[in-house]
Amino acid sequence: NAGVTQTPKFRVLKTGQSMTLLCAQDMNHEYMYWYRQDPGMGLRLIHYSVGEGTTAKGEVPDGYNVSRLKKQNFLLGLESAAPSQTSVYFCASSIGVLNIQYFGAGTRLSVL
Amino acid sequence: KNEVEQSPQNLTAQEGEFITINCSYSVGISALHWLQQHPGGGIVSLFMLSSGKKKHGRLIATINIQEKHSSLHITASHPRDSAVYICAVRVTTSGSRLTFGEGTQLTVNP
Repeated sequence: NAGVTQTPKFRVLKTGQSMTLLCAQDMNHEYMYWYRQDPGMGLRLIHYSVGEGTTAKGEVPDGYNVSRLKKQNFLLGLESAAPSQTSVYFCASSIGVLNIQYFGAGTRLSVL
Repeated sequence: KNEVEQSPQNLTAQEGEFITINCSYSVGISALHWLQQHPGGGIVSLFMLSSGKKKHGRLIATINIQEKHSSLHITASHPRDSAVYICAVRVTTSGSRLTFGEGTQLTVNP
C-alpha cells in the first residue's frame, strides 16, 4: 500500500496562476483533509470531505476549492494564486472522524 | 490565546536522556493526538488518546482530562528521535476538525 500520495511535491507559481494539488489514498478511507502549514503556526484545516461527493469548509478555506469525485482522490485547487498562499500543504485521510489521520508527504508551494 | 499550547518550543537533549513534552488545552475535547514530523517534513501519527496512558516502544503518552493537560515522554532518547512533535485536539464542538499546537522541536545529540 502506498498510503497517502500527494502530487506534486514542489511547485512555484506566479501570482494569478492556477493549479491543482492531487491527493490519493489507497486505504478506502472515508474522510480526507487538506491542511496548510506555515512557520510559527500549527497545521490549519483548509477543506475536508466526509465521503465521496461531499466537501466542507475548514478553518481557512478562502482562495481554495476542492472536489471529491472519487473516494480515493481529493483535489485542492487554487484558482488565482496569491503570495499569501505560499505554504506547505498536507493531505490526510482517516477511516472515520474518531480515528487517527494518515498524512501525505506534503507539497511545498511558492507563489511569487 | 491558542486553544492548544505546547512547551517547550525547542528542546535539546543528550542521547539517553528522558524527555518530556507538554501540551495544554483550554477547550473541551473528545480526543488528543500526538504526531511526529520528521526533518524531511513527513508527518506520522504516534498516539490518539482520550484518557489515561498509552505506550509504544520508548514513547509514552498520558492525558489528564481534569487538568486539560497531556505529556509525551521519550525514554532512552536517541538522535533518530530528533523531530517536531505536534499535539492536536479534537474539540467537542468542532466535529471532524483537529486543532493543532505549534509543535516542539526536539534535537537529540549523540
